[in-house]
Amino acid sequence: GDKVKQSPSALSLQEGTNSALRCNFSIAATTVQWFLQNPRGSLINLFYLVPGTKENGRLKSAFDSKESYSTLHIRDAQLEDSGTYFCAAENTNTGKLTFGDGTVLTVKP
Amino acid sequence: GPKVLQIPSHQIIDMGQMVTLNCDPVSNHLYFYWYKQILGQQMEFLVNFYNGKVMEKSKLFKDQFSVERPDGSYFTLKIQPTALEDSAVYFCASSLDSGYEQYFGPGTRLTVL
Repeated sequence: GDKVKQSPSALSLQEGTNSALRCNFSIAATTVQWFLQNPRGSLINLFYLVPGTKENGRLKSAFDSKESYSTLHIRDAQLEDSGTYFCAAENTNTGKLTFGDGTVLTVKP
Repeated sequence: GPKVLQIPSHQIIDMGQMVTLNCDPVSNHLYFYWYKQILGQQMEFLVNFYNGKVMEKSKLFKDQFSVERPDGSYFTLKIQPTALEDSAVYFCASSLDSGYEQYFGPGTRLTVL
């Protein structure tokens, strides 16, 4: 969507390599969530962020509210990391999430 | 993590019929949401609900749509009558409070023929 721009739209990685996904916001995001939608369609919560950084295993995410962007870093990509990654920003006091268009990640052996 | 359940997982109905999608949110959560996703594309906000009331709705939340959670039972999305363009996957989500982390159900795939 226009309000939350994700890049790249698609990405192919070799197993074991690193990469970064990015979201730029044209809305004043107060919190950001990152999700992985697996091939079955389920949304898996990866990160919930106020401005700052978080790390979980091979994943690390940052949210800079002043510069209006968030990043998701994947280290040592594995086959099971394949899927569509969505970022979503919340900027109202009603909790509404505005989603980006997603990044389709394919990890190859 | 916290689980949100949705019933049914799939629903096929004829255009013009009524359909009710059911969501069992996380037990202590107070905010409930519906989102719509077409063909695995962008997730679009429909509506959120707190304390028995709609807090915010999008342009996609047509007059034919309604939500309720009678007496703490399922949080439901009703579409009456359905149209072809209502075919999509509908995701329910819940959060402890506004601005807190949202947890999503597995979705209900609705096909309107």
